[in-house]
Amino acid sequence: AQRVTQPEKLLSVFKGAPVELKCNYSYSGSPELFWYVQYSRQRLQLLLRHISRESIKGFTADLNKGETSFHLKKPFAQEEDSAMYYCALWRGGGGADGLTFGKGTHLIIQP
Amino acid sequence: EPEVTQTPSHQVTQMGQEVILRCVPISNHLYFYWYRQILGQKVEFLVSFYNNEISEKSEIFDDQFSVERPDGSNFTLKIRSTKLEDSAMYFCASSTGAQEQYFGPGTRLTVT
Repeated sequence: AQRVTQPEKLLSVFKGAPVELKCNYSYSGSPELFWYVQYSRQRLQLLLRHISRESIKGFTADLNKGETSFHLKKPFAQEEDSAMYYCALWRGGGGADGLTFGKGTHLIIQP
Repeated sequence: EPEVTQTPSHQVTQMGQEVILRCVPISNHLYFYWYRQILGQKVEFLVSFYNNEISEKSEIFDDQFSVERPDGSNFTLKIRSTKLEDSAMYFCASSTGAQEQYFGPGTRLTVT
């Protein structure tokens, strides 16, 4: 069975500092990986998907198949980045497949 | 921008009662999902629904649960005979099938 691990429950950094949120996965096939963000009192929103290879709100994430990782990075954190971040895996078996989520990392950006 | 909506935002029920959680997916989406998140734990997949039938379900989705699309817009999750451990946030999501799932704001279910 697939699994997503986010080792940090809480990450606190100062504004302007670099941020890296870790995500490791295990799955025998070729999954798609996503980062979802949940701002306070808001819904889960898709932030990034690995196949689009784009930067959203200054965040990037590269899929490393060798290390089975999909870490989320931002060079200069901003206070509005404070939120819960969830890494999620999709097995790729068809549109009906559910996402497998990690436990999430609470990112706090201190002024 | 269209959004997934869910009602109610908070539901309190007594153990043993039946509850129905409602969702209105984005109108041109074809795949619908339910997830739950017990406080302090990860978001867990419950079930997916396509073409008016269940496509995939997790081990959590036992006989206590059922889903239905009673009309062209609503998608419901029914929990029969609720238990204390059913207390959680329940999220509905929808997609066109292109993996990107759009989530609703959630319904907080409290079973007393």
